[in-house]
Amino acid sequence: GQSLEQPSEVTAVEGAIVQMNCTYQTSGFYGLSWYQQHDGGAPTFLSYNALDGLEETGRFSSFLSRSDSYGYLLLQELQMKDSASYFCAGLFTSGTYKYIFGTGTRLKVLA
Amino acid sequence: EAGVVQSPRYKIIEKKQPVAFWCNPISGHNTLYWYRQNLGQGPELLIRYENEEAVDDSQLPKDRFSAERLKGVDSTLKIQPAELGDSAVYLCASSLMTHEQFFGPGTRLTVL
Repeated sequence: GQSLEQPSEVTAVEGAIVQMNCTYQTSGFYGLSWYQQHDGGAPTFLSYNALDGLEETGRFSSFLSRSDSYGYLLLQELQMKDSASYFCAGLFTSGTYKYIFGTGTRLKVLA
Repeated sequence: EAGVVQSPRYKIIEKKQPVAFWCNPISGHNTLYWYRQNLGQGPELLIRYENEEAVDDSQLPKDRFSAERLKGVDSTLKIQPAELGDSAVYLCASSLMTHEQFFGPGTRLTVL
């Protein structure tokens, strides 16, 4: 079956750059999305990669490498408000499509 | 533009009781999803609707869970009877494109 793995926790300081990784099983893989979720809040969409390479949206960038079955979310100029959980979500197709969320990475930003 | 609306926000019930959750998606979004999220984990899809048709309910525990989206707009998810293990946050989402889903605030269910 399809699954996505993420490190459980990452810690970084304000102003730094942090990379959060996501590895997935390739069967039926179509694309990779990223969501941010603050404690007690709803997931909010950040970015989507269907093709290999880097997608940039302000301080957030997302990267995909299909040959390595791997993607990452890059956050620059970290702010305290970036402390949250970050989920990758894979879109898989096999007849119909399935959207499967990863295990999530909890980011702690320290002052 | 109004976001995805869910109610109630919180629900506490005793095991074996029924419970229902309601969701109103963003206007114009034909696709509606129900997810369950346990603490420290990612959302797990329970059911996906395209208009009023349930196109993926493979993860819905059909012995106790049911859902409907009668007019292709708002939707209800029901659990009867609830079990202790059903305690979780139930999230509703809607989308025009699958890879960009808009989530409601969720219903936090506690089963005692």
